[in-house]
Amino acid sequence: AQSVTQLDSQVPVFEEAPVELRCNYSSSVSVYLFWYVQYPNQGLQLLLKYLSGSTLVKGINGFEAEFNKSQTSFHLRKPSVHISDTAEYFCASEGSYIPTFGRGTSLIVHP
Amino acid sequence: EAQVTQNPRYLITVTGKKLTVTCSQNMNHEYMSWYRQDPGLGLRQIYYSMNVEVTDKGDVPEGYKVSRKEKRNFPLILESPSPNQTSLYFCASSTLAGTDAYGYTFGSGTRLTVV
Repeated sequence: AQSVTQLDSQVPVFEEAPVELRCNYSSSVSVYLFWYVQYPNQGLQLLLKYLSGSTLVKGINGFEAEFNKSQTSFHLRKPSVHISDTAEYFCASEGSYIPTFGRGTSLIVHP
Repeated sequence: EAQVTQNPRYLITVTGKKLTVTCSQNMNHEYMSWYRQDPGLGLRQIYYSMNVEVTDKGDVPEGYKVSRKEKRNFPLILESPSPNQTSLYFCASSTLAGTDAYGYTFGSGTRLTVV
């Protein structure tokens, strides 16, 4: 069975500072990994995905994530955040077409 | 524009009154799924469908029904809604092949309140 753990429920950060949102997964099979963003009163939007190949994945809005198989992690990073990045972020894994979502991390960017 | 359309966006209903939330996608995606989102619990899958006439239970299927008679539509049916089904519901779709495989397109959500 798969599971996804987002280690922080809330991450406050000042504008223009770097940020890392942490995600660990567990699975007995190869998985695909994803990060989604949910802005207030909206649905989820795909930020980036790792299926295979390069372990560093670049996504939209300047975000990137690194797949680390030995640490079973897929942390999301951005070198300089903006106020507009304030949102809920979800890590997800998928194996055999059955996705599993983490409980979400609320990124709060302060001016 | 490629999108998943859910209706209605907001719905208040009474216990026991049957309701349907519609979901339609215009991307010819094979895979469609319904989720509910509750504070502190993240997203939980209700039902999913791999293709027309193929549906299966997710993590929390009790109290819900679905059908997939056409590829583009995947309605969620609550035969006898109860207050514990008050939640934010999302429909999502994805393709299972090609460079766009995996990774979902989500609808804007339906906020359901059962009183």
